[in-house]
Amino acid sequence: DAGVIQSPRHEVTEMGQEVTLRCKPISGHNSLFWYRQTMMRGLELLIYFNNNVPIDDSGMPEDRFSAKMPNASFSTLKIQPSEPRDSAVYFCASSLRTGGSTDTQYFGPGTRLTVL
Amino acid sequence: DAKTTQPNSMESNEEEPVHLPCNHSTISGTDYIHWYRQLPSQGPEYVIHGLTSNVNNRMASLAIAEDRKSSTLILHRATLRDAAVYYCILRDTGTASKLTFGTGTRLQVTL
Repeated sequence: DAGVIQSPRHEVTEMGQEVTLRCKPISGHNSLFWYRQTMMRGLELLIYFNNNVPIDDSGMPEDRFSAKMPNASFSTLKIQPSEPRDSAVYFCASSLRTGGSTDTQYFGPGTRLTVL
Repeated sequence: DAKTTQPNSMESNEEEPVHLPCNHSTISGTDYIHWYRQLPSQGPEYVIHGLTSNVNNRMASLAIAEDRKSSTLILHRATLRDAAVYYCILRDTGTASKLTFGTGTRLQVTL
């Protein structure tokens, strides 16, 4: 199993540019999560999907952030326009949701975003 | 969500046992206790979880206090590869999908 795949692994962009982060979950998993990690705020959940449907986006910082999951094997997190404070490591995770409190989440290697 | 409290950092010698504590005095009866760890420059990974009884797996053991207000992750023989930030997380049935990470415990392992 290839695990959760994220691309790119590193992204450097200038303020105001659009940034798109990509995630391929583990095959067969039906839940997908986007997290962000910064020194100041630690790891925080941005949004998660069940069966390709966004369930909770309360962690999305503002309208500049959007996430989509057009099918079970692909998701994107877009920032437009990007700002320096968006610099962080963005993790994607997936799980097989069984409805309980024991689903294990599998994390990708992350995308390190730097906005200049 | 019920909160957890962990020491900021701990140190251990290689090949010795490590006991990582977690306090969760406001835990509810349906909260599961989960542990994840994050190795340097990697995403978090699952370690173990439990509800009331102690649990063992190939990575670690989880000891849960009888009143469930605290728990301890036990690494039986720490190796340099176990150096990571360890997160103790409570998950209830209402917000079961969410993982709410605290600051965790940074474990240093030395020769």
